[in-house]
Amino acid sequence: DIVMTQSPDSLAVSLGERATINCKSSQSILYSSDNKNYLAWYQQKPGQPPKLLIFWASTRKSGVPDRFSGSGSGTDFTLTINSLQADDVAVYYCQQYYSTQWTFGQGTKVEIK
Amino acid sequence: EVQLLESGGGLVQPGGSLRLSCAASGFSFSSYAVSWVRQAPGKGLEWVSGISDSGGSTYYADSVKGRFTISRDNSKNTLYVQMDSLRAEDTAVYYCAKGSYNYGSGSYLDYWGQGSLVTVSS
Repeated sequence: DIVMTQSPDSLAVSLGERATINCKSSQSILYSSDNKNYLAWYQQKPGQPPKLLIFWASTRKSGVPDRFSGSGSGTDFTLTINSLQADDVAVYYCQQYYSTQWTFGQGTKVEIK
Repeated sequence: EVQLLESGGGLVQPGGSLRLSCAASGFSFSSYAVSWVRQAPGKGLEWVSGISDSGGSTYYADSVKGRFTISRDNSKNTLYVQMDSLRAEDTAVYYCAKGSYNYGSGSYLDYWGQGSLVTVSS
């Protein structure tokens, strides 16, 4: 199975500042035939189900604020939240869908400093 | 509006069985893969099982293979998971999630239900 490892496990960021979350896969999730990275990011607020933020590593889902951005390729990926808002307090997960054994990272908790 | 509504959760003894259902609406259910993802109390997300649009392909995490069976009834717009030989470590909220594509690989999860709690305890 492809192992997804996120860092850090948690971070505290001041309102209006930038939050950066890293995600590393144990093997490349870049599919050579279409040159796409099979990686998604999800946001989960307390007591709620996860919500899709980004897919194909960098494509924002419709309606997701543009302060959320994804980058990276191959095995190393980043979710950046620019100008952190109070509403962004949540746990963020990366997930690979390259293989049919989907796997998630362990999650990164984002809090306000 | 896409909606996914899980049902069937509850308390079950170790070794027992339970069947969860997920009623889908707001999209062409028969055209998309769907999955079950679970979350143990205070823990992260764990993908459990997935099924292709027609039901012809099914996928399981190693942790549930041989104990859980995923199925779908496209005439009823409903996804199921039959959970047998349940263990304490299967205790979790089980989410139903819609795939972005008709097949497994390449399909991210674009909509999620609210979840159904399964508790395995004596």
